[in-house]
Amino acid sequence: GDSVTQMEGPVTLSEEAFLTINCTYTATGYPSLFWYVQYPGEGLQLLLKATKADDKGSNKGFEATYRKETTSFHLEKGSVQVSDSAVYFCALRFGNEKLTFGTGTRLTIIP
Amino acid sequence: NAGVTQTPKFQVLKTGQSMTLQCAQDMNHEYMSWYRQDPGMGLRLIHYSVGAGITDQGEVPNGYNVSRSTTEDFPLRLLSAAPSQTSVYFCASSYWTGGYNSPLHFGNGTRLTVT
Repeated sequence: GDSVTQMEGPVTLSEEAFLTINCTYTATGYPSLFWYVQYPGEGLQLLLKATKADDKGSNKGFEATYRKETTSFHLEKGSVQVSDSAVYFCALRFGNEKLTFGTGTRLTIIP
Repeated sequence: NAGVTQTPKFQVLKTGQSMTLQCAQDMNHEYMSWYRQDPGMGLRLIHYSVGAGITDQGEVPNGYNVSRSTTEDFPLRLLSAAPSQTSVYFCASSYWTGGYNSPLHFGNGTRLTVT
């Protein structure tokens, strides 16, 4: 079946550091790919998405590129802030079928 | 601009008790779903619905019932709670028809503890 594998956490970085959270997927066909973010005590919010190969999703300084060759959708940010501390989930979806999530990566940014 | 509203935020049950987790959305979304979130396991789909009167099972449906009598509401019922159902539950909704690849909108979750 379809699955998403995310980099294990937790990840701790200093403010202004460069961030990469790895995500790879297994699926038959070409799903849409998503990154969701969950701030403490809240539900998940869509951070960015890409619907086809070579698409780049971006939002709030975060970016991820849909790489068909490596079945990857790694999340990056050039300079993280304390407010970026959250749990990040990679997910895939075919059309409007169910979302399949990775296990989540907890990110903590220290000042 | 309420979005997806879940109640209660916290609940403690004894084994064998029943309860209903409420979910309501005001975005006229056809698709609604329930997930549970457990440490190290991400989010797993329990049940979902693509419109009033239509429901279907997800990955982990056992021990849960749902119904969809209106577009707005999608309650999740635990008939006889078990400690294995201790989790954080999220309701999520999105467009279905004409909304290809529309993102899911999540509620803030219900933290359930079964003792």
